[in-house]
Amino acid sequence: QPVLTQPPSASASLGASVTLTCTLSSGYSDYKVDWYQQRPGKGPRFVMRVGTGGIVGFKGDGIPDRFSVLGSGLNRYLTIKNIQEEDESDYYCGADHGSENNFVEVFGGGTKLTVL
Amino acid sequence: VQLQESGPGLVKPSQTLSLTCTVSGGAISSGNYYWSWIRQPAGKGLEWIGRIYTSGTTNYNPSLKSRVTISLEPSKNQFSLNLSSLTAADTAVYYCARSRMVPELDWFDPWGQGTLVTVSS
Repeated sequence: QPVLTQPPSASASLGASVTLTCTLSSGYSDYKVDWYQQRPGKGPRFVMRVGTGGIVGFKGDGIPDRFSVLGSGLNRYLTIKNIQEEDESDYYCGADHGSENNFVEVFGGGTKLTVL
Repeated sequence: VQLQESGPGLVKPSQTLSLTCTVSGGAISSGNYYWSWIRQPAGKGLEWIGRIYTSGTTNYNPSLKSRVTISLEPSKNQFSLNLSSLTAADTAVYYCARSRMVPELDWFDPWGQGTLVTVSS
């Protein structure tokens, strides 16, 4: 099963842009990942799914156009433009592996985004 | 659709944890969905525990499989989690979540707000 690696922290100034990275382990370059946002004290919220071709499907409810994704090689990126205070959150990526008989879901360790 | 977890906030070591997720805004037995449990120790990342299909078939995280049972209760529009042989390492916020049975769209959405479970004597 894949291992997802995320930098533990990132920061950006109000109104700036930031790109968060989720890196798949070797051999899983065709995998899609899901991005989740978790605001302090809240449950996670689905942001969007990304593969090497970009977004897969559609964004989660209420996710603004400032959020976009790209995928390249083993990396899956979440970019936030014109960062707002409410974007300060933990961001997790997740991926599923296997078939109906041996399904497993794995998550990255998360990136804490601080808005300066 | 909204999901709400409920259960005891404090459980003793070696005991079995029982949690319930109540689904509102849609019937749990209608449509093709997976119903999952996910947990998060304080200050740490997410760990998928397992899921159940509308049909009742289950998948579990191999690291927890020997201690986990997930079941559906359609008459109550609920699904539940039983986790046995508890230790302090099972202390976490437990979330329930739904995903579609469509391979390209099977992300977790929505999630419940979570319920904190502490394992301590």
